Amino acid sequence: GIQVEQSPPDLILQEGANSTLRCNFSDSVNNLQWFHQNPWGQLINLFYIPSGTKQNGRLSATTVATERYSLLYISSSQTTDSGVYFCAPVQGGSEKLVFGKGMKLTVNP
Amino acid sequence: DTAVSQTPKYLVTQMGNDKSIKCEQNLGHDTMYWYKQDSKKFLKIMFSYNNKELIINETVPNRFSPKSPDKAHLNLHINSLELGDSAVYFCASSQRGGASDFGPGTRLTVT
Repeated sequence: GIQVEQSPPDLILQEGANSTLRCNFSDSVNNLQWFHQNPWGQLINLFYIPSGTKQNGRLSATTVATERYSLLYISSSQTTDSGVYFCAPVQGGSEKLVFGKGMKLTVNP
Repeated sequence: DTAVSQTPKYLVTQMGNDKSIKCEQNLGHDTMYWYKQDSKKFLKIMFSYNNKELIINETVPNRFSPKSPDKAHLNLHINSLELGDSAVYFCASSQRGGASDFGPGTRLTVT
C-alpha cells in the first residue's frame, strides 16, 4: 500500500511565526486531505487537495501529485493552531484515506 | 447542528464484554467510515460503507462488526472485548471520493 511520510515530526513555534509542513507519498493518489487534530481530540478537515493550491485564511496547501508531495503552510501562527496535523492521501484505485504519523505543532504565546 | 455525531463519547468496560458505538451523519453523504486511533495517535481505517453496502473491510478481527441500517447511520459492534481494543474510534462520512468529516470520537477503555 501507499507509504506516507510527514516532516518534521514535531515543531515548536512562537506565536506569529510561519511554518511549512511536508507530506511525501509513495504512489499516485486520487485525492489528498489535511487534518488538524486539536488538543481535545477533534479532527478537523483543513483541505481537500488532490492537486494545485488552495488557501483558507492563514492556511494554504499545495499538492504536486506528479512529484508525490503536499505542503501545508501556516502563517502568523496562533496558540489555537497547536495540535497534530495529519496528511491523508487516497491511493489511486482505492477509497481509503491512508494517514501519515502526524506532526505535532506547539505554538507558544 | 452536529454534522457527524457518535455515542457514547466515553466507554469503559471489562474484558469479555460486548459493546456498541453508534454514529449518525446529517450531511447527506453517501459513504461512512470507522477509523481506529491508537495510543500513538496512529489513525487507520477499519470499515467503509457506501449506501449501506460494505466497500472497505480492512484486516480487522471478526469480533468487530459494522452495521449500516441506512445511509445516515453506521454502528460498530464489538464482541468479546480485549485490552488491545482500547483506543479512540472515529466515525466519518463523505460523498464518495470527497472530503471527509469526522465525528468527535469514542474513547474506549477496556480493563
